[in-house]
Amino acid sequence: DTEVTQTPKHLVMGMTNKKSLKCEQHMGHRAMYWYKQKAKKPPELMFVYSYEKLSINESVPSRFSPECPNSSLLNLHLHALQPEDSALYLCASSELGGYNEQFFGPGTRLTVL
Amino acid sequence: SQQGEEDPQALSIQEGENATMNCSYKTSINNLQWYRQNSGRGLVHLILIRSNEREKHSGRLRVTLDTSKKSSSLLITASRAADTASYFCATDEGFNTDKLIFGTGTRLQVFP
Repeated sequence: DTEVTQTPKHLVMGMTNKKSLKCEQHMGHRAMYWYKQKAKKPPELMFVYSYEKLSINESVPSRFSPECPNSSLLNLHLHALQPEDSALYLCASSELGGYNEQFFGPGTRLTVL
Repeated sequence: SQQGEEDPQALSIQEGENATMNCSYKTSINNLQWYRQNSGRGLVHLILIRSNEREKHSGRLRVTLDTSKKSSSLLITASRAADTASYFCATDEGFNTDKLIFGTGTRLQVFP
């Protein structure tokens, strides 16, 4: 299995809602990432988990809360989001982490009303 | 910021033509990668070139790296309509090996 899967594909939520994005990979990769991408912009790194421990948090607002239950799963919990948080959220994994090749999921298109 | 600058921002060509896009970056790197993104989808890794390499080929792709100029180019030969996508270069920051920094991207449109 050489796929990174993300659910849901689309999510519409109000500013008072709590929701979660899920990411899964079964390639045995030890590093997993969350990126945020606005239209016509490059992906921006939010969080890096390496060996199930948070190693990088790019000063993301606390309304985004990552969780890595095990080496195959990565969640992003969302609470009290703002309309400007509407974006494509991409999950990626890497066998060795660091500056090596990353495998991306198809993304979750999030709209905050 | 290490973010790569890519040019052109947008490129339109006919099928069969070659497409060249360029990436410049600011600090020393361990490697440079190129990714493709179809509209609204995830990124797909195309090719990785290490800092001690000058040129690399993969199918119709040719990548060059000039570390003295801190620049790289991606050449797609004999383009196809299916090559229509955004292309991003990505670099590490040399000293910080835990993250990739993506360039601004080139939007390629290949007309049949």
